[in-house]
Amino acid sequence: ETGVTQTPRHLVMGMTNKKSLKCEQHLGHNAMYWYKQSAKKPLELMFVYNFKEQTENNSVPSRFSPECPNSSHLFLHLHTLQPEDSALYLCASGSSGRVNTQYFGPGTRLTVL
Amino acid sequence: DAKTTQPNSMESNEEEPVHLPCNHSTISGTDYIHWYRQLPSQGPEYVIHGLTSNVNNRMASLAIAEDRKSSTLILHRATLRDAAVYYCILRDYGYGQNFVFGPGTRLSVLP
Repeated sequence: ETGVTQTPRHLVMGMTNKKSLKCEQHLGHNAMYWYKQSAKKPLELMFVYNFKEQTENNSVPSRFSPECPNSSHLFLHLHTLQPEDSALYLCASGSSGRVNTQYFGPGTRLTVL
Repeated sequence: DAKTTQPNSMESNEEEPVHLPCNHSTISGTDYIHWYRQLPSQGPEYVIHGLTSNVNNRMASLAIAEDRKSSTLILHRATLRDAAVYYCILRDYGYGQNFVFGPGTRLSVLP
C-alpha cells in the first residue's frame, strides 16, 4: 500500500469536456507531483508543489491546470484535451528532504476521444 | 542532469538471483542512486537507494562500485511478482533536483 490514492482510476473524455483528476496522500508529506506516462515513453514530470506552492511547471500546455489546496490534496483540471494527451497520469508525494523518496498512486488511465 | 544507462530487458528464472546493472559514469559526489520499480498497471514504487556504501533492505540489495560509476540492484530470489520495469535514477540532493525517469529495464521472470 502506498498511502497515495487517485480518483478516478479510468476516465474517458471528449475533446470538449472538462474533467478533474484527484490525488490524496495520507503520509504527511509536503511535496506533491504530477507525472504523465504515455505508451512506450518514460515518465515525464509535469508539476511540482512544495508546501502548497507550485515550484515547477515543465512546459506543460495550459489545457492542464493543477491545483493544490492543501498539502494532502492535489488536483489536475483538464479542458479541451487532445487525443495525444491520452496517457497514465500519476500522482506522487514525498518529503522535501535530502533523499526525497517518492510514493506514487496507482494512476488515472485517461483516454481522450 | 547525470544520466543512467540500463539494459532494455532482462530475463530470470523464478527463485534465482537477479543482478540488474546500471551505468552512471558522470555521477557527481552529491548524487544519490535510487531504484524504483513499476509493476504492470501500477505506479512506480520505491525499492532502495544509496550514496557510497552497499545497502540492504527487505526488498533488495544495492551494490555500488567503488568509483560510483556503476551500481547493481540485486534481487536475491526472484519471484513472479518481481516482474516489472526497474528504474535506476540519480538525484543530486545538493540542488534538490527532481527525479528523471529513463526507460528502465523490463525484467521478466520465468516460472
